[in-house]
Amino acid sequence: GEEVAQTPKHLVRGEGQKAKLYCAPIKGHSYVFWYQQVLKNEFKFLISFQNENVFDETGMPKERFSAKCLPNSPCSLEIQATKLEDSAVYFCASSQSGGNEQFFGPGTRLTVL
Amino acid sequence: AQSVAQPEDQVNVAEGNPLTVKCTYSVSGNPYLFWYVQYPNRGLQFLLKYITGDNLVKGSYGFEAEFNKSQTSFHLKKPSALVSDSALYFCAVRDIGMRFGAGTRLTVKP
Repeated sequence: GEEVAQTPKHLVRGEGQKAKLYCAPIKGHSYVFWYQQVLKNEFKFLISFQNENVFDETGMPKERFSAKCLPNSPCSLEIQATKLEDSAVYFCASSQSGGNEQFFGPGTRLTVL
Repeated sequence: AQSVAQPEDQVNVAEGNPLTVKCTYSVSGNPYLFWYVQYPNRGLQFLLKYITGDNLVKGSYGFEAEFNKSQTSFHLKKPSALVSDSALYFCAVRDIGMRFGAGTRLTVKP
């Protein structure tokens, strides 16, 4: 598609429940990025993919967060056993190459109660 | 590590006046610098980038930015502000992922 698509728009989970977010990058873009935006507007880089391979995961809290980008499927970000501090808006972005500008999706707002 | 800083949380200007949103950077090597804008409940929209070449970069919606190597700055500018420019603006530098500044809220008053 011409835009990055993210589903769902909103997700509410009880503490300890699993949350799974989806992202469809722009067609032809090889790179996918996940970011977390918390209340103070700060964007935290989580993970990036080059096609289906993890490119950099230095921002991921690995004990509970995982992500995949499989061929012919939307990319996904999964949080096992959500915590209150995971409440944030999660943005996916894609780019043609690693150095080019990134195009962002509309985000998924996760609320953990 | 690559980083950018936006020294102002808030910038207020009157419609029709020029606007500047400040950004300074700290990088090793040549910087790849970007400006994005975020409207309420929306994702980031790309405005412009500096990779190499002319220090004055022109972008979307009449915005431009000046790369200044000696001052390590990449300020966003527009000659005449519109009320519709009111939004949150982020400066960013390419690292592996993008490293964003804290954001500057621009308010343009009629």
